[in-house]
Amino acid sequence: DQQVKQNSPSLSVQEGRISILNCDYTNSMFDYFLWYKKYPAEGPTFLISISSIKDKNEDGRFTVFLNKSAKHLSLHIVPSQPGDSAVYFCAGGGTSYGKLTFGQGTILTVHP
Amino acid sequence: DADVTQTPRNRITKTGKRIMLECSQTKGHDRMYWYRQDPGLGLRLIYYSFDVKDINKGEISDGYSVSRQAQAKFSLSLESAIPNQTALYFCATSDFTNGGYEQYFGPGTRLTVT
Repeated sequence: DQQVKQNSPSLSVQEGRISILNCDYTNSMFDYFLWYKKYPAEGPTFLISISSIKDKNEDGRFTVFLNKSAKHLSLHIVPSQPGDSAVYFCAGGGTSYGKLTFGQGTILTVHP
Repeated sequence: DADVTQTPRNRITKTGKRIMLECSQTKGHDRMYWYRQDPGLGLRLIYYSFDVKDINKGEISDGYSVSRQAQAKFSLSLESAIPNQTALYFCATSDFTNGGYEQYFGPGTRLTVT
């Protein structure tokens, strides 16, 4: 049972345009969601997070939106830059768990 | 210096061999985790530890064991390696700040079992 799903294995975007990465979850006990970014030959690094009591969190070019009724979150990158090309993982966590459940990842390619 | 280090970075081993992957951290975090990454499957949790005396199985612990030698060290062992354990392995740490959600990852170990 995959509790966190990223249904798009890859996304290709032109530099300067918006990138939208999507994530769906099934576990209603998640109360925190995070996005991680991973470059080749490196470990994932934390990008942005959102608490389940919020519907939006913004940090510079990155905005995460949470729709609890749809159990859906998305990451918007505006404007996209070639350096944003990486694998993006979404993850959900619950206070009672103390651990994260990750999605499969989406490969983002931003073309100059 | 990296806060979370993993050794070795690359390893090729044969089926049936015992192998240990090591993780060390200088962040002073209590919580440590082992994940494996496979194409199309994302990051899956193998084992996690909330302190030296607390070890918990993750979603895919079969075929693996761990040892938390100290707060800063968490080792993953494959007692008898098999080819489908070929993967990228990551260690991560976190503390209780913000509920412990934000995890810090090491650079990974690429393991190939032939």
